Amino acid sequence: DPKIIQKPKYLVAVTGSEKILICEQYLGHNAMYWYRQSAKKPLEFMFSYSYQKLMDNQTASSRFQPQSSKKNHLDLQITALKPDDSATYFCASSPGHANSDYTFGSGTRLLVI
Amino acid sequence: GEQVEQLPSILRVQEGSSASINCTYENSASNYFPWYKQEPGENPKLIIDIRSNMERKQTQGLIVLLDKKAKRFSLHITDTQPGDSAMYFCAASQGNMGYKLTFGTGTSLLVDP
Repeated sequence: DPKIIQKPKYLVAVTGSEKILICEQYLGHNAMYWYRQSAKKPLEFMFSYSYQKLMDNQTASSRFQPQSSKKNHLDLQITALKPDDSATYFCASSPGHANSDYTFGSGTRLLVI
Repeated sequence: GEQVEQLPSILRVQEGSSASINCTYENSASNYFPWYKQEPGENPKLIIDIRSNMERKQTQGLIVLLDKKAKRFSLHITDTQPGDSAMYFCAASQGNMGYKLTFGTGTSLLVDP
């Protein structure tokens, strides 16, 4: 059974539209994260949350907004989508915010056309 | 911040031989260095890690070396098998920002049977 569920696995979106990437973890972890993996770039840290509170935001654009309705949920809303947003978005969690013992989800592969 | 350089980007070896991947980092405060293996279409999976209080760690055919003076760490895969073919990423995190991993650009390892 997957311990971190990301939905959908694949997503095609039109430029200018808005999408929400879903992430739920069943590891009992207190910290959750979003990373982005684009072609020809390393995995990049985007956000970290601890107990549903934003701890760090390394995303330059306000078009990316995390949403945490429960401690084990961290969704990512992306508005005004651009082709450059095309990437695989990985959710991850760790036992605590000071702990980088990550478990990654299976990712959402986003294509913006 | 932190920057991690990873080489080589592509590595091709014969089954049964060793494979070595090298990473360097910039921030002397970095103290945690994990290695991830990522197969096509899959999430990154932690395979081995090392902390700054160690110089060497070994597990199941994997050896990690850390040279803090040179700010360099490396992964050595002994007796490679075709199943070792994948992307490998090194990463680093700092003590007071232990939640945030900075990744290298990845090494595509191909093991020829």
